[in-house]
Amino acid sequence: QVQLVQSGAEVKKPGASVNVSCKTSGYTFSSFGIVWMRQAPGQGLEWMGWIYHGITNYAQNLQGRVTMTTDTSTNTAYMELRSLRFDDTAVYYCMRTHGGYWGQGTLVAVSS
Amino acid sequence: QAVVTQEPSLTVSPGGTVTLTCGSSTGTVTSGQWPYWFQQKPGQVPRTLIYDVDKRHSWTPARFSGSLVGGKAALTLSGAQPEDEADYYCSLSYSRTHAVFGGGTKLTVL
Repeated sequence: QVQLVQSGAEVKKPGASVNVSCKTSGYTFSSFGIVWMRQAPGQGLEWMGWIYHGITNYAQNLQGRVTMTTDTSTNTAYMELRSLRFDDTAVYYCMRTHGGYWGQGTLVAVSS
Repeated sequence: QAVVTQEPSLTVSPGGTVTLTCGSSTGTVTSGQWPYWFQQKPGQVPRTLIYDVDKRHSWTPARFSGSLVGGKAALTLSGAQPEDEADYYCSLSYSRTHAVFGGGTKLTVL
């Protein structure tokens, strides 16, 4: 069955970077894209961007701070967010395109 | 950037029918925008109920259906159950370059 397993929770200081991984299984990794989203505490979902065959599209408000990559040898997607701010505190999710299979989420807390 | 609009809250009686809608500031929602519907219960990971307008997953109860109605994407719940009380989000794709989530609908079954 399709599974997406994300890396564990992170606590970061303002200005630092975070790298969240999303290891997939149960399907042909290269045939589908990966979407990244986040949800701040008590808020709705925010689309961050996606990657498919190495081509990326990012949300305008994150351009320059976010990079999404994939490693086809391990069927894993990565999302790096740089220059972290307090309002980047959120649960970050990956999701496979076409069908919308979700990872379990990764809490990233930005705290001084 | 486009804005996707959803009803902030709706209430449905047990066994009743309710339709949630998902509109776009750019105009009529089309199948090419790959409308998705997600359900999120408190403290849980969102799950996909409907994708590409009207496609269900194996875990999607048959009482949920997706469609395009009146220029919007729609999620209809027929025969509401107490366990359907949740937040519902839709997403729309724009020019295959980005997607936008709606603000979510809080559905109460009462």
